[in-house]
Amino acid sequence: NAGVMQNPRHLVRRRGQEARLRCSPMKGHSHVYWYRQLPEEGLKFMVYLQKENIIDESGMPKERFSAEFPKEGPSILRIQQVVRGDSAAYFCASSPGMESPLHFGNGTRLTVT
Amino acid sequence: GQQLNQSPQSMFIQEGEDVSMNCTSSSIFNTWLWYKQDPGEGPVLLIALYKAGELTSNGRLTAQFGITRKDSFLNISASIPSDVGIYFCAGQPGTASKLTFGTGTRLQVTL
Repeated sequence: NAGVMQNPRHLVRRRGQEARLRCSPMKGHSHVYWYRQLPEEGLKFMVYLQKENIIDESGMPKERFSAEFPKEGPSILRIQQVVRGDSAAYFCASSPGMESPLHFGNGTRLTVT
Repeated sequence: GQQLNQSPQSMFIQEGEDVSMNCTSSSIFNTWLWYKQDPGEGPVLLIALYKAGELTSNGRLTAQFGITRKDSFLNISASIPSDVGIYFCAGQPGTASKLTFGTGTRLQVTL
């Protein structure tokens, strides 16, 4: 049973470009979470989605950031017009239900030059 | 917002020693989780706690959910080199709610 799969592992973008981060949850998991981690810091919650629905986006900046989890295919975290401050590791996690522990992918490391 | 204070921030110990770290919150959590993160990888779940006072073991790891619901600790017995990494506590206030992570404890094990 494959774990949470994130791609790409590393992504380099120039300021002003768009970044698309993909996450395929574990088989049977319908809950997806996105977290962001800066160097030497803990993980900060961004958004929580179930299939086709955003449940909680309180940690996601209202501008330039969006997330989706379509009926078919992976969850996508999209960052438009990236700035240097967006450079971080972005982790996706999934769970089979609301009260189940989260299982994390290995992250996408975004570098904005 | 909720804050999780994790201590110590870092630890340097010798192989074979026991390790203890803890996490305190300004508010109540219904679930406490402990994760380990290796460089370049995502956090890996070590132990999950669901009831106040619960004591749970996973091999050499033991964790407890504090009675007040505002704290938790993790113990590692007889440390080995592969225990090196960053340990994060995480709390969840209720169902369908986001995890709040602590700031991490960086563990270094010397031979």
